[in-house]
Amino acid sequence: QKEVEQDPGPLSVPEGAIVSLNCTYSNSAFQYFMWYRQYSRKGPELLMYTYSSGNKEDGRFTAQVDKSSKYISLFIRDSQPSDSATYLCAMRNYGGSQGNLIFGKGTKLSVKP
Amino acid sequence: GAGVSQTPSNKVTEKGKYVELRCDPISGHTALYWYRQSLGQGPEFLIYFQGTGAADDSGLPNDRFFAVRPEGSVSTLKIQRTERGDSAVYLCASSFAGGGSYEQYFGPGTRLTVT
Repeated sequence: QKEVEQDPGPLSVPEGAIVSLNCTYSNSAFQYFMWYRQYSRKGPELLMYTYSSGNKEDGRFTAQVDKSSKYISLFIRDSQPSDSATYLCAMRNYGGSQGNLIFGKGTKLSVKP
Repeated sequence: GAGVSQTPSNKVTEKGKYVELRCDPISGHTALYWYRQSLGQGPEFLIYFQGTGAADDSGLPNDRFFAVRPEGSVSTLKIQRTERGDSAVYLCASSFAGGGSYEQYFGPGTRLTVT
């Protein structure tokens, strides 16, 4: 079992729909949780960043972390065709010499006009 | 301000050749990371620098891979005796420091193809 599991999709929704993207993880030491958006042939772009459990909202995007269930979510409201991309969840431990992020495989999202 | 830049954007090389990939981090960022992303996969960690020193190189797949950051800014990832399995997008990221609370910002990547 990989440390971070993410359904690769693809996920296709109509414009204006609410999108729910999810990841599960196995390492209870993870404290920082991120969502990156990656357009085709581009580098990942940081969308949301959350420490420990709870919710965080930024415009049309809401990130949720449930550490008791080892489950994180990203919700996109009023989805737009420009949201079509691959969404990567990523997480890491707190501090120490471990600097690296552990990524999911990414979910490919397509928003149809 | 300027983001993370990587050169070249594409590199095609023959099996067995040596390649160098360059990363320019965001100004003021002391931590720098290299990741490798294969098709259909998330990025996988290779090496992390804090300043000039490699704080964690546990992700380097074998001794054909080496990275340097001599002045604590620009970094070069070096791959010797390239193999077809090395074909991937090599991503560089930087952050203010190496601790967990600092956000990592990625460059556009170098697409390496080994023929």
